[in-house]
Amino acid sequence: GAVVSQHPSWVICKSGTSVKIECRSLDFQATTMFWYRQFPKQSLMLMATSNEGSKATYEQGVEKDKFLINHASLTLSTLTVTSAHPEDSSFYICSAFARGKNTEAFFGQGTRLTVV
Amino acid sequence: AQSVSQHNHHVILSEAASLELGCNYSYGGTVNLFWYVQYPGQHLQLLLKYFSGDPLVKGIKGFEAEFIKSKFSFNLRKPSVQWSDTAEYFCAVNAQSSASKIIFGSGTRLSIRP
Repeated sequence: GAVVSQHPSWVICKSGTSVKIECRSLDFQATTMFWYRQFPKQSLMLMATSNEGSKATYEQGVEKDKFLINHASLTLSTLTVTSAHPEDSSFYICSAFARGKNTEAFFGQGTRLTVV
Repeated sequence: AQSVSQHNHHVILSEAASLELGCNYSYGGTVNLFWYVQYPGQHLQLLLKYFSGDPLVKGIKGFEAEFIKSKFSFNLRKPSVQWSDTAEYFCAVNAQSSASKIIFGSGTRLSIRP
């Protein structure tokens, strides 16, 4: 199956700093990628839809100025958590559909962000 | 907007017991349906999916699910569970349009007693 890779797998940062998380589709092109966050023992909550070459679409309640998404190419989307606070600590997961297909999304392994 | 409900938050079974996890969705149009599994410390894996055809779908590891359109349900079943099935199970849905977002249910934690 197709592979989606996230980097880094885990990161610890100080409060007030910014952190960038990368999501790459390794062997397929993805015009659309999705960013989720998952709190411990909870489900995945969709944050935004990342579209190659255009602005991301954010879900209600997600601050677009805090969670900056860039989808600069067909294989890379980045999520930048700006001015991170401890409440931003979470598991961030990206997913992507292979171009032209929507019957299976492939998920990255996730990034554990801890803000201290 | 789509939504997904999973009624069982935590299910505890003994090995060899039969499993059924409930999932209902809400959406006005045609959908694709998924079950994902997340083993402790690991990322999501697709168990099975339905997008058209036979409403009884067979997935990996002996799991199956049945799409009942009239009930807006897509329950997950396994006739005989194993200890290694201990995991979190998520039902999910997306609209049958190009690369539409996947919405997840709240998840069901399955614990299997050896």
